[in-house]
Amino acid sequence: AQSVTQPDIHITVSEGASLELRCNYSYGATPYLFWYVQSPGQGLQLLLKYFSGDTLVQGIKGFEAEFKRSQSSFNLRKPSVHWSDAAEYFCAVGGPSGGSNYKLTFGKGTLLTVNP
Amino acid sequence: ETGVTQTPRHLVMGMTNKKSLKCEQHLGHNAMYWYKQSAKKPLELMFVYSLEERVENNSVPSRFSPECPNSSHLFLHLHTLQPEDSALYLCASSQGPDLAYEQYFGPGTRLTVT
Repeated sequence: AQSVTQPDIHITVSEGASLELRCNYSYGATPYLFWYVQSPGQGLQLLLKYFSGDTLVQGIKGFEAEFKRSQSSFNLRKPSVHWSDAAEYFCAVGGPSGGSNYKLTFGKGTLLTVNP
Repeated sequence: ETGVTQTPRHLVMGMTNKKSLKCEQHLGHNAMYWYKQSAKKPLELMFVYSLEERVENNSVPSRFSPECPNSSHLFLHLHTLQPEDSALYLCASSQGPDLAYEQYFGPGTRLTVT
């Protein structure tokens, strides 16, 4: 069965500081990996995704993530956080195994607070 | 209207009520999804429709009944719900039922069952 663990429930950083949000996954084959962001009162927005190829992927809003197969991780990073980045971040895994290529399994999310 | 819209945004209902959630996508997509987002739990996929046919029912209780009359509209009919069904219900759409296509989410309906 596939699963996602986001070990940090809540992270607080100062504006301008760097950010790393952790994500570990369990998946039986080569995974498709995603990061979504949810602002208060909004739906989820896709930040970036990894299917194959270069293990460092660039996304929107200055975010990037690195796929490390040996560590089963897909951590999200941003070099300098802006106050508008305050939101909840979700890591998700899915893929073509198991007969359905549309099912995403999400982590519980990490809430990011940005201090001025 | 653009993107994915959901109505109502907030709903309070008693356990004996019947209500419906509505989702509309203005993106020309062929697949639509219902997700449940409960406090302290991961987002859970409930139903998937592709070209108005249901392709996934993720072990959802029968008190939740989806309907997809056309590729732009998706409903979730609710009846005799339980307090543990209180959650944010998110609708999403994509070009097709495949993770290669980005899923676009609506803002959700916050449901409270009293």
